[in-house]
Amino acid sequence: SQKIEQNSEALNIQEGKTATLTCNYTNYSPAYLQWYRQDPGRGPVFLLLIRENEKEKRKERLKVTFDTTLKQSLFHITASQPADSATYLCALLNRDDKIIFGKGTRLHILP
Amino acid sequence: EAGVTQFPSHSVIEKGQTVTLRCDPISGHDNLYWYRRVMGKEIKFLLHFVKESKQDESGMPNNRFLAERTGGTYSTLKVQPAELEDSGVYFCASSQLGVSSYEQYFGPGTRLTVT
Repeated sequence: SQKIEQNSEALNIQEGKTATLTCNYTNYSPAYLQWYRQDPGRGPVFLLLIRENEKEKRKERLKVTFDTTLKQSLFHITASQPADSATYLCALLNRDDKIIFGKGTRLHILP
Repeated sequence: EAGVTQFPSHSVIEKGQTVTLRCDPISGHDNLYWYRRVMGKEIKFLLHFVKESKQDESGMPNNRFLAERTGGTYSTLKVQPAELEDSGVYFCASSQLGVSSYEQYFGPGTRLTVT
């Protein structure tokens, strides 16, 4: 069955450093990969989408890579800030729009 | 512009009772989705409306769950009768048709507790 693994349940990073989150998947060939941010008591917020034919995408301090051979995506936050602390969800989808989510990684940026 | 809203934010019911969750999507969004997150698990797709039609309901757990979207505006998700395993957070999301459909906007969720 389709499976998404996000590298760790929680990750602590010192403020100012780059946070790198990993998403691995199996038994799936997604057309798109997304990253969402979720804060406690709130719904996920869309951050970035990367297509299967794209290697990298950037948005401000965020960078996402997508390696369809390794079946892996890396999500980077550069110059991290305490306000970046949240749960980050990796999600896969195909052209039928059904999203498959990972469990998420809780990121803590330490001041 | 108002985001996706869900009501109630929290519901506590006893096993065997009925609960109806409501979702108001962003105005103009024809796509409406329901998802559920059970404690300790990932968010899982339940179903997808395009306007008032069910496009995909493959994620609905069983026939105790009934979703409707009359008039293609707001949607309701009814659980009848509720079981303990139905506890979790139910999210609604909406998106536009076409090229923007992959960017879904989520509501804050309804936390359902069945005791």
